[in-house]
Amino acid sequence: DTGVSQNPRHKITKRGQNVTFRCDPISEHNRLYWYRQTLGQGPEFLTYFQNEAQLEKSRLLSDRFSAERPKGSFSTLEIQRTEQGDSAMYLCASSDGQGRTYEQYFGPGTRLTVT
Amino acid sequence: AQSVTQPDIHITVSEGASLELRCNYSYGATPYLFWYVQSPGQGLQLLLKYFSGDTLVQGIKGFEAEFKRSQSSFNLRKPSVHWSDAAEYFCAVGGGYQKVTFGTGTKLQVIP
Repeated sequence: DTGVSQNPRHKITKRGQNVTFRCDPISEHNRLYWYRQTLGQGPEFLTYFQNEAQLEKSRLLSDRFSAERPKGSFSTLEIQRTEQGDSAMYLCASSDGQGRTYEQYFGPGTRLTVT
Repeated sequence: AQSVTQPDIHITVSEGASLELRCNYSYGATPYLFWYVQSPGQGLQLLLKYFSGDTLVQGIKGFEAEFKRSQSSFNLRKPSVHWSDAAEYFCAVGGGYQKVTFGTGTKLQVIP
C-alpha cells in the first residue's frame, strides 16, 4: 500500500492553456474522487468514479473540466482554457468500496496556479 | 443537501491545555462523519470516523469525538494538546461511499 499519488505536485500555467493532472489510487480501490480546495476553504467535491464509471459530477465541474478513469485504475482530470479562478489545490482520494470502512484516503494534491 | 458548519475559524490554545473543536452537520439520512487534519502543504489525514454504534469514537493521536444526533454535532476533543497538533482540522459528512462534504476548517495554533 503505497498511498494515493498525484502528479504533478505543482503546475503553473498561463490563462487559456490546457492542463492535465493524474491520480493513482491505492491499488484495488475501486472508488476514486476528485476535490478542489481553494485558500481558506475546505475541499469541495468535483466528481467520483466507481471503477471506470463516472457516477456523479458536481455543478462546479464546468464544461471546461473533464475527468476520466479509462481502465478503472488511474484517473486524469483535464482543465481546458484555464482561467485564474481555476487556481486551487486539486485533491484526489480513493476508497475500497467493498469493506465497511468508508474511508477516503487522500493524495498530496496538485497545486495549480494560473497566471 | 448535506452541509457542515465549523463555527470557529481559528483557535489558539496553550500546549498541555484541552481542546474542543465544534462541528455541526446537516444530512438527510444516517450520517457518516469524519474528522481530517491537514498540515501546511500536506494532504488530508483521517483522524477518526463515525458510522454507527458507540457515539464516542476514538481516533489517532489521542483525539476523540462525540456524535450527538439531537444536536447534529460531532465535536472533536483532545485532553492535552501538543505543539505538533498545530494544523487545520476539517469536519466532514457523507453517505457511505458517496461524496463527502467538508466544513471550512478550523486552524489550530498551539502556544508554548
